[in-house]
Amino acid sequence: QKEVEQDPGPLSVPEGAIVSLNCTYSNSAFQYFMWYRQYSRKGPELLMYTYSSGNKEDGRFTAQVDKSSKYISLFIRDSQPSDSATYLCAMRSRGGGADGLTFGKGTHLIIQP
Amino acid sequence: EAGVAQSPRYKIIEKRQSVAFWCNPISGHATLYWYQQILGQGPKLLIQFQNNGVVDDSQLPKDRFSAERLKGVDSTLKIQPAKLEDSAVYLCASSSSTGLSPLHFGNGTRLTVT
Repeated sequence: QKEVEQDPGPLSVPEGAIVSLNCTYSNSAFQYFMWYRQYSRKGPELLMYTYSSGNKEDGRFTAQVDKSSKYISLFIRDSQPSDSATYLCAMRSRGGGADGLTFGKGTHLIIQP
Repeated sequence: EAGVAQSPRYKIIEKRQSVAFWCNPISGHATLYWYQQILGQGPKLLIQFQNNGVVDDSQLPKDRFSAERLKGVDSTLKIQPAKLEDSAVYLCASSSSTGLSPLHFGNGTRLTVT
């Protein structure tokens, strides 16, 4: 079993729809959770960074963490064609020393105009 | 704030040849990471530096990969000799410190080994 599982998609939805992206993880040591967006031939760009269980909102994006279920989600409201990209979940254990991120495979999202 | 700079953007080599990638992190960022991203997969950590010291190189194939960050700023990653399975995008990232600081990525070097 991989440490972080993420459905690679592709996930295709019409413009304006609410998008739900998810990851599950197995390592209880993971404490910090991130979502990155990656456009083709670009590096990952940080979207959301959260630590505690619960919801964090930033504009059209909401990140949700459920540590008891080892499950994280990213919701995108009012999706736009410009949101078409690969979305990577990433996580790390408590800081100090080796703290490189462990990534999911990424979900390829397509927003149809 | 200037982002993480990487060069070259693309590189094509034959197997058994050597190649080197360069990274210049965001100014003032003490922590630097090299990741390997194979097509269709998420990035995988190869090595982490804190200033000019190695913090984690547990996933670096040390028989062929090497990396250095001599003055605690720029870094180079080298592969010698390259194998077909090394074809990937090599991403450099930096953060201001370990722990809570987010990672900022460059646009990577796309390596094709033929």
